[in-house]
Amino acid sequence: GENVEQHPSTLSVQEGDSAVIKCTYSDSASNYFPWYKQELGKRPQLIIDIRSNVGEKKDQRIAVTLNKTAKHFSLHITETQPEDSAVYFCAASIPSGTYKYIFGTGTRLKVLA
Amino acid sequence: NAGVTQTPKFRVLKTGQSMTLLCAQDMNHEYMYWYRQDPGMGLRLIHYSVGEGTTAKGEVPDGYNVSRLKKQNFLLGLESAAPSQTSVYFCASSLTGRGYTFGSGTRLTVV
Repeated sequence: GENVEQHPSTLSVQEGDSAVIKCTYSDSASNYFPWYKQELGKRPQLIIDIRSNVGEKKDQRIAVTLNKTAKHFSLHITETQPEDSAVYFCAASIPSGTYKYIFGTGTRLKVLA
Repeated sequence: NAGVTQTPKFRVLKTGQSMTLLCAQDMNHEYMYWYRQDPGMGLRLIHYSVGEGTTAKGEVPDGYNVSRLKKQNFLLGLESAAPSQTSVYFCASSLTGRGYTFGSGTRLTVV
């Protein structure tokens, strides 16, 4: 079945620097890759997603890239701010027609002021 | 429009007790899911539903049952709680399966 690995588990950056979180997946048939942000004690919220027919997608300071050949995708946050501090989860769709996802284990991002 | 509402928000159970977690959504979403979140393990799918009257098993279904008698509600039951079921439980719903809306979570402790 599908497996998603996420690295690093923790990441500390200085405010204003960039942060990159990487995920790999195992099932080449996966075709949808969302990213969620979870602030402490709150629910996960979708921040960006990408489909397998697109190589890159941007939304202001956030971008996601997808390499289907290598089966990995990455989240890029530029000009980090303290409010970016949170746990970020990647996910990959399970190609079963039931819209289930397998989530990565999460990356705790700390932006140091 | 409340989105996805979970009740209760917190609960402490003794081993062997039973309980039901309620998830309600007012967005007319077809798909609903129950996940559990444990430290270092991300979100793992317990059960899911692709429409009213349907349910199916996810990655970690043992010890849980679900029902979806009405489209807007998805119930998660624990028949005989065990300490291993101590976790934070999230319900999610989706209209097309693309991009979940999560509830605020239920923190369950089994002692």
